[in-house]
Amino acid sequence: GNSVTQMEGPVTLSEEAFLTINCTYTATGYPSLFWYVQYPGEGLQLLLKATKADDKGSNKGFEATYRKETTSFHLEKGSVQVSDSAVYFCALSEETGGFKTIFGAGTRLFVKA
Amino acid sequence: DGGITQSPKYLFRKEGQNVTLSCEQNLNHDAMYWYRQDPGQGLRLIYYSQIVNDFQKGDIAEGYSVSREKKESFPLTVTSAQKNPTAFYLCASSKSGLSTDTQYFGPGTRLTVL
Repeated sequence: GNSVTQMEGPVTLSEEAFLTINCTYTATGYPSLFWYVQYPGEGLQLLLKATKADDKGSNKGFEATYRKETTSFHLEKGSVQVSDSAVYFCALSEETGGFKTIFGAGTRLFVKA
Repeated sequence: DGGITQSPKYLFRKEGQNVTLSCEQNLNHDAMYWYRQDPGQGLRLIYYSQIVNDFQKGDIAEGYSVSREKKESFPLTVTSAQKNPTAFYLCASSKSGLSTDTQYFGPGTRLTVL
């Protein structure tokens, strides 16, 4: 079946450091890929998405490229801020006989000033 | 402002009681979803609905029930048959339920069984 694997946290970085959170997936067809972010005590909100191979999603300095050859969708940011501290979820969505979104376990990011 | 509201924010239940979690959206979205989130885990789908008066079970539907009588509303009932209901519950909606759609989430309800 479909699955999403993302790197375990927590990830702790200093302000202005480079961020990478790895995400790989398995899917039977051609899924759409998403990164969602969750701040403490809140619901999730979309950070970025890509709906086909080689697409790059970007938002608020974050980027991720849909790599079909490596089945990956790694999240990157060149310079993190304290306000980026949150939990990040990688997700895939595919219509295979019905709606299905699979979420990764989430990666908690702490950014120190 | 358009969005999704969930109530209550915190809910306490005694064992053996049914409780209903509210979810309302004013985004005019066709599809709505209920997820359960446990500490350190991703979201697991309980139920989803892509049209009024129709809904489908997700991966962990046992012990839960839903209704979709109005486009804006998708309440979730946690029944006494759910053996471990303490969790954070998230409601979401999307425009049409397509795989390319973004899901919009409510702020969640934290349910604790006493």
